[in-house]
Formats: sequence, structure tokens, C-alpha cells
Amino acid sequence: DAGITQSPRHKVTETGTPVTLRCHQTENHRYMYWYRQDPGHGLRLIHYSYGVKDTDKGEVSDGYSVSRSKTEDFLLTLESATSSQTSVYFCAIKTSGDTGELFFGEGSRLTVL
Amino acid sequence: GNSVTQMEGPVTLSEEAFLTINCTYTATGYPSLFWYVQYPGEGLQLLLKATKADDKGSNKGFEATYRKETTSFHLEKGSVQVSDSAVYFCALSTGFQKLVFGTGTRLLVSP
Repeated sequence: DAGITQSPRHKVTETGTPVTLRCHQTENHRYMYWYRQDPGHGLRLIHYSYGVKDTDKGEVSDGYSVSRSKTEDFLLTLESATSSQTSVYFCAIKTSGDTGELFFGEGSRLTVL
Repeated sequence: GNSVTQMEGPVTLSEEAFLTINCTYTATGYPSLFWYVQYPGEGLQLLLKATKADDKGSNKGFEATYRKETTSFHLEKGSVQVSDSAVYFCALSTGFQKLVFGTGTRLLVSP
């Protein structure tokens, strides 16, 4: 079975500070995704990656950057956190040929004060 | 653009009641449709899917039929259990490596 580890699972930070969330997969899946989950909005795609050093923007990418230097790791960075980025962040991987079949991590809850 | 609309919750039912959660979509092309479930404190899990019109996805007693004429993919279960309490998300994919989610519907089942 695919395995995803997100870290940290919980973080409280202050406005203006940088934050990096890490997503680590135990298998060599090509596609990895970062979503944020907010009440009334469901899940919205921030960025995704289709290979090492290959990334693209999702629908809510402003204020976020990503990096993928190894197949197993996909990092999400908030260069200068704002209160509007308080959310639960989910990493996901595509585990089959069907685009919609994603396997999700357990989430990282970020609070920006 | 592509979008998914779900009924607002929470949906509150007694155990063994019949469940319907409505989902309609707007999409270009021919999307695949999905239902995901999120239990408290966990990530989303794929519940079922349908890849073309008139397909029926099913899993764990849940069913949904891909209705192209009404652009719908309603989730149903004949007899819900307390353990089915969760948030259910309808989603679509058009093959561009992106999944579009609805806002989610919370289901609360009481004994």
C-alpha cells in the first residue's frame, strides 16, 4: 500500500514567518499534490508535481511555492505566512492510471496568528 | 470551467435510514466522477468511482450512478450505520491530472 507521511502534523506560527510543510511518500509515484481544506470550500489544489523538478500551479497558488528535488519528497513553502493561510493542508499521490484516484495523507493543520 | 455542487449539510439520520447525498457537476469533455469520504481526523479516502455515462460505482453498500443527461452523481445507501458518520466529497476529473472537489457534505448518523 502507498504510504504518505506529512510533517509537521500541527503547527502554530506568526504572520510573516516562513513555513515549510513536507510530504514524503514511500513509493515512487510520479504525481504528487498539495491541497488545502477550508470550511465551505472543500479541497482546493495549490500546486502539483509530475516529476522531479516538474511542478505546476493549481487554483490557489498565490503565496505558496513548492519544490521536488527527489521523487519521494514534495515540499510546500509559505514564504511569509498570513492569517488567510490558516488551514488544513493535505498531500496526495496518484496511485493508479486514473487521474482521480488519489491517496491522501493525514493532513497538516497550520494556524497563523 | 469545471465545478461540482453538493447539497449542504449536515445530513442527520437515524441508523438504518436511507441516505441520499446529491451531487451535480459542470464539466467540459467527459469527466470521471468520484466520491471520497473523510472520517474525523483523517485524510480523504476514495469511496467509489464511475468513468463513463450510466456506469454505477459501488463500495461498502454505497452506490452512485453517472447520469450524463442530468449531470449528476448522487450518493445512496440503503441502510446507514453510525460508523458511516463522516464528510463526503463529490469530485470530478477531466484527465488533466487535476481533481476538482465539491464543498463536502457532513453526515451524522445517530443510534
